[in-house]
Amino acid sequence: AQSVTQLDSHVSVSEGTPVLLRCNYSSSYSPSLFWYVQHPNKGLQLLLKYTSAATLVKGINGFEAEFKKSETSFHLTKPSAHMSDAAEYFCVVSDWELTFGTGTRLTIIP
Amino acid sequence: EPEVTQTPSHQVTQMGQEVILRCVPISNHLYFYWYRQILGQKVEFLVSFYNNEISEKSEIFDDQFSVERPDGSNFTLKIRSTKLEDSAMYFCASSTKGPRDEQFFGPGTRLTVL
Repeated sequence: AQSVTQLDSHVSVSEGTPVLLRCNYSSSYSPSLFWYVQHPNKGLQLLLKYTSAATLVKGINGFEAEFKKSETSFHLTKPSAHMSDAAEYFCVVSDWELTFGTGTRLTIIP
Repeated sequence: EPEVTQTPSHQVTQMGQEVILRCVPISNHLYFYWYRQILGQKVEFLVSFYNNEISEKSEIFDDQFSVERPDGSNFTLKIRSTKLEDSAMYFCASSTKGPRDEQFFGPGTRLTVL
């Protein structure tokens, strides 16, 4: 069975400072991993995906994530936060169906 | 850019009534999905659909739920006899290569059961 744990339910950072959203996963197979973002009253948008190619994955809007098999982690980072990054972020693992984490709400402090 | 669309954006219904939630997936996609998100909870997988049949379903997807692709463009989720606990945001998604590939999500339908 697969599962995903987002270690922080809420993260607050100041504008212009780095962002780190943590995710650990559990999977029986070699999984596909995704980060999705959900802005208020909007649908889910894919930020980036890992599908067993390069372990460092670059996504949209300056986000990237590193797949670390030894740590079963797939943390999301961004060097410099922008006000528009404020949203809910979901780490997702897929063996067959998508399994979502509980989400991390990112707040940007002006 | 092609996108998944869903109608209605908000549906209010009385307990025990039937509702149909509609989705138009991206036109060249072959795999279709429904998810739900109860307020304050995480997004949960309901069902996947490929080649005109259900390929996977979760425990949530019981006999009150059904899916259909009635024509070449629409993908529907029917809830036969709604319960209060069915109140949630329902997301449709589609993909080209299957569940391990990127899924494109619609904006969701908020279902409120009174």
